[in-house]
Amino acid sequence: AQKITQTQPGMFVQEKEAVTLDCTYDTSDPSYGLFWYKQPSSGEMIFLIYQGSYDQQNATEGRYSLNFQKARKSANLVISASQLGDSAMYFCAMREASNTGKLIFGQGTTLQVKP
Amino acid sequence: GAGVSQSPSNKVTEKGKDVELRCDPISGHTALYWYRQRLGQGLEFLIYFQGNSAPDKSGLPSDRFSAERTGESVSTLTIQRTQQEDSAVYLCASSLLQGETQYFGPGTRLLVL
Repeated sequence: AQKITQTQPGMFVQEKEAVTLDCTYDTSDPSYGLFWYKQPSSGEMIFLIYQGSYDQQNATEGRYSLNFQKARKSANLVISASQLGDSAMYFCAMREASNTGKLIFGQGTTLQVKP
Repeated sequence: GAGVSQSPSNKVTEKGKDVELRCDPISGHTALYWYRQRLGQGLEFLIYFQGNSAPDKSGLPSDRFSAERTGESVSTLTIQRTQQEDSAVYLCASSLLQGETQYFGPGTRLLVL
C-alpha cells in the first residue's frame, strides 16, 4: 500500500498567487514526521518544512506553511505569493519513528509558476 | 558550512561493469542515507548508517548493491555487474542524528549503456 500519496502530477499557478500541494499519508506508528522537499530542474533536494505528529500547531517557514490535518492523514503544503523560482518538483515524505529514520517519498508534484 | 558532497556527478558505464559512488556527509552528522531516484519518480530508500550500529540494508534491491561507511565520514555505494535498470540518480543524505532533518547531496547520475 502507498504510504505517501501525492495525487497531483502537475500544477499551474499564477505568479503572486497562493497554491496548495496535496499529500496524504498512511501509518500506524503514533510517532512520525512529515517533510516537504523541493527539487528544481538542477536536481538537488532542498528541505522546505517539517511537521511532527505531536506538534500542536501547523509548521510555517517563510512563504511555506503546512496544513496538517491529523485525523484525515493529510499534510498539504501551501506556498503563498508564488514566485517564478518556485517552479520545481515538490516531494512529500514521511519518517516513522519505528523505522530507522529513513524517508518514504511520494511520487511528487510538478509546479509551474506562470508570469 | 559545507553541505553533502557526492562524486562523481555523472557516470556512464557499460553493462556488466562495476561502479563506485562516493558521499561525503556534513561534518558531525552521524546518520547517512542512500536513495535512488529513477527518472520522473520519487526517491527509494537503499541503505542507512548510524554511528557504529549495523546498517539498515533493507532497501538494497539486489546483492549486486553494497555500501560501506568509514566511521562517521565518507560512504561508498558499490554496484557490481551493472544493469541498464540501474540507471538512475543516486542521492546521499545526512542528518545530525537519526530521525532528524536530512540534507541531500547533489546526486550522482548513473547511466548504464
